[in-house]
Amino acid sequence: DVKVTQSSRYLVKRTGEKVFLECVQDMDHENMFWYRQDPGLGLRLIYFSYDVKMKEKGDIPEGYSVSREKKERFSLILESASTNQTSMYLCASSLSGTGNGYTFGSGTRLTVV
Amino acid sequence: GQQVMQIPQYQHVQEGEDFTTYCNSSTTLSNIQWYKQRPGGHPVFLIQLVKSGEVKKQKRLTFQFGEAKKNSSLHITATQTTDVGTYFCAGPGWGGSEKLVFGKGTKLTVNP
Repeated sequence: DVKVTQSSRYLVKRTGEKVFLECVQDMDHENMFWYRQDPGLGLRLIYFSYDVKMKEKGDIPEGYSVSREKKERFSLILESASTNQTSMYLCASSLSGTGNGYTFGSGTRLTVV
Repeated sequence: GQQVMQIPQYQHVQEGEDFTTYCNSSTTLSNIQWYKQRPGGHPVFLIQLVKSGEVKKQKRLTFQFGEAKKNSSLHITATQTTDVGTYFCAGPGWGGSEKLVFGKGTKLTVNP
């Protein structure tokens, strides 16, 4: 089974801090994604990556950046955390090619105080 | 941009009753996927539909893809408490890209 591992289940950070969320997948998937999930708003795509060192903005990239130096690892960076970035962050991966299902990690619940 | 609308937002049923959630896209989809998220969990891929009019079954779950490939439904027969969770549909983004656009989900609760 594909496993997508997110480094932290819960995280509390202060406003203005730089925050790193890490995601690692172990099945050689080309595609990796970062979503945030908020009540009533569903899953919203922040950034995604089709390959190493490649990234594309999703629907809500403002305030975020990403890094993909290795195929198995996709990092989400909050440059200067703000309270409106308090959310559940979900990483996902998939094989290249349309129609391949996503495998999600367990999520990181980030609270910015 | 492309939108995937899902209704209802919430559904509460008695155990043993049937349940249906509907998904509608603003554009024709090459495929549609369904996911289930248990309370406190993460979305888990259930199935993908590709063909116009396609119907697939997984035990008590029946998935349909519309003839025009713009809508889909998930029907659960005789719900059980294990069916509790939020069900999401998702379709490919603009231009058939590999990123998915998710519906906002239908949250199902089951009264035992």
